[in-house]
Amino acid sequence: GAVVSQHPSRVICKSGTSVKIECRSLDFQATTMFWYRQFPKQSLMLMATSNEGSKATYEQGVEKDKFLINHASLTLSTLTVTSAHPEDSSFYICSAARTRETQYFGPGTRLLVL
Amino acid sequence: AQSVTQPDIHITVSEGASLELRCNYSYGATPYLFWYVQSPGQGLQLLLKYFSGDTLVQGIKGFEAEFKRSQSSFNLRKPSVHWSDAAEYFCAVGGANNLFFGTGTRLTVIP
Repeated sequence: GAVVSQHPSRVICKSGTSVKIECRSLDFQATTMFWYRQFPKQSLMLMATSNEGSKATYEQGVEKDKFLINHASLTLSTLTVTSAHPEDSSFYICSAARTRETQYFGPGTRLLVL
Repeated sequence: AQSVTQPDIHITVSEGASLELRCNYSYGATPYLFWYVQSPGQGLQLLLKYFSGDTLVQGIKGFEAEFKRSQSSFNLRKPSVHWSDAAEYFCAVGGANNLFFGTGTRLTVIP
């Protein structure tokens, strides 16, 4: 149990376009999901906390208008990178809170903006 | 302030040898502690977690970790490393809504 999926696993896009990444909890309901960004050989940086049915909470320094988060159901959260630029290229990982204490992570999405 | 320190950036061990990855934390309340493993290009897999009770916790893949409150540590151990254990290991402290990660320890396993 506690499986989280992400789609797509890898995406390449042109600068200026928007990219949507989906995060799904497959076998449990998650009122809270999280979006992280990971730079090469570094740890995870929390970008935002997504709560079902309400606005996401963004960490300091994360542009909410650039990284749009929608958590429309208890099993799905989406991250849309709007007007992507090469500096947005990164590894994006989502997680879902199955219980109050534990996050389960998706396999990640590699974004490359040309 | 909450923080997690993994002092070893990179560790190399021989296959079959024992392993210990260090983790020290700073947390204002009773911590929830986690170890995750990340293979290249993959997400994070939960190895084990500590909430309360027995300070020695068993996880998947033969890993265990010991919580030592007096040392603010939660070191990960494995008695005999397998080549498939080569990965990045992250220690984390907090809970479902406030998880703080260490910078990770990269484990290389040599034949």
